[in-house]
Amino acid sequence: DIQMTQSPSILSASVGDRVSITCRASHDLNNYLAWYQHKPGKAPKLLIYKASTLETGVPSRFSGSGSGTEFTLTISSLQPDDFATYFCQQYNTYWTFGQGTTVDIK
Amino acid sequence: QVQLVESGGGVVQPGRSLRLSCAASGFSFSNYAIHWARQAPGKGLEWVAVISHDGSYKHNADSVKGRVAISRDNAKNTVYLQMNSLRPEDTAIYYCARDLVSSGGFYFDYWGQGILVTISS
Repeated sequence: DIQMTQSPSILSASVGDRVSITCRASHDLNNYLAWYQHKPGKAPKLLIYKASTLETGVPSRFSGSGSGTEFTLTISSLQPDDFATYFCQQYNTYWTFGQGTTVDIK
Repeated sequence: QVQLVESGGGVVQPGRSLRLSCAASGFSFSNYAIHWARQAPGKGLEWVAVISHDGSYKHNADSVKGRVAISRDNAKNTVYLQMNSLRPEDTAIYYCARDLVSSGGFYFDYWGQGILVTISS
């Protein structure tokens, strides 16, 4: 099984801040890594797939980077709508998720 | 627009069974694989099961193997998750999600809002 370790678990930030979230995998993912945004009571929303490809309609302030076993989601300038939980998912071998990162207001 | 709506959750006693449904609309349902995932209180998401577009391929997570069966009815645009011998650790919000492709092997491009299942006596 591929294990995913996501950090930090909580990130306190202000509007306009640049924030980054990291996911580390126990095996090489061949860049089969997706990022999602999740707000309470809502359906999770796909942001990025194949490690760095932005899903259609997702604002360009979101970006993904990394390769192999280490990946990063960056929000270049945090907006009020971005306070949410973010999680990564590997789909190289079946599917495993990171534990999630809650971005809250500082 | 693409919609996935889960139903069938609730409070169930340990050892009993429950069937969850995922009703889809807004896309050609029979062309896509569908997954179930769950999130226990205070925990991260866990993938549970997948079924291919025509039901010919199914796979469950080891944590539910032998207790869970996924099925679909393409005429009703619905996927089901039959859960048996339920345990307190099955308590979670259950989500259905659409795979990018028909065979199931990629990321999830659409999710439902989830349904709460509580296993308690």
